[in-house]
Amino acid sequence: AQTVTQSQPEMSVQEAETVTLSCTYDTSESDYYLFWYKQPPSRQMILVIRQEAYKQQNATENRFSVNFQKAAKSFSLKISDSQLGDAAMYFCAYRSGGGATNKLIFGTGTLLAVQP
Amino acid sequence: KAGVTQTPRYLIKTRGQQVTLSCSPISGHRSVSWYQQTPGQGLQFLFEYFSETQRNKGNFPGRFSGRQFSNSRSEMNVSTLELGDSALYLCASSSIGTGYEQFFGPGTRLTVL
Repeated sequence: AQTVTQSQPEMSVQEAETVTLSCTYDTSESDYYLFWYKQPPSRQMILVIRQEAYKQQNATENRFSVNFQKAAKSFSLKISDSQLGDAAMYFCAYRSGGGATNKLIFGTGTLLAVQP
Repeated sequence: KAGVTQTPRYLIKTRGQQVTLSCSPISGHRSVSWYQQTPGQGLQFLFEYFSETQRNKGNFPGRFSGRQFSNSRSEMNVSTLELGDSALYLCASSSIGTGYEQFFGPGTRLTVL
């Protein structure tokens, strides 16, 4: 069975600084997707960034980028130029490839605080 | 395009009652998944429907059930409610056109007294 581990329950960053959230996963599959979701206090889950396992290039979305280390099964999220609106719970998630299911397996989350 | 909608947004029930939650996916999305979010267990997958067929189910007791209609709207039902069923229930929809990226609704907050 696949598992996702987020070892940082809470993180804090100063506004305009950079922060990295960690995520490791375990799987025996070769085809899969990894995601970072943001859940602000409103509880609405928002997709931040996605990474296809077959792609060697790390995904980037504006101030958000990932460091995908497939061999180490590591998938960290880097937030640059942190903004107050980035404060939220961040979840790392895994999905099997192949199209047979859209089931997401989530980590336990990292609560990010942004200090002004 | 309208996002995923969930009704009701808040619900208070007592132990032993049953409840039905509704999810309307984004227009054109045929896949709907349900998740339970609690402080203790985190986000857990309940089930997934695709074109009215359940194609995946999480490790939840039989009191939790769901269905999907021909218009892709989905409902989940919890019978004989227990205190531990208090949670935020999230619904997500996706389609092949979006690479199966899942779009989440705002959730239904269920409180069992």
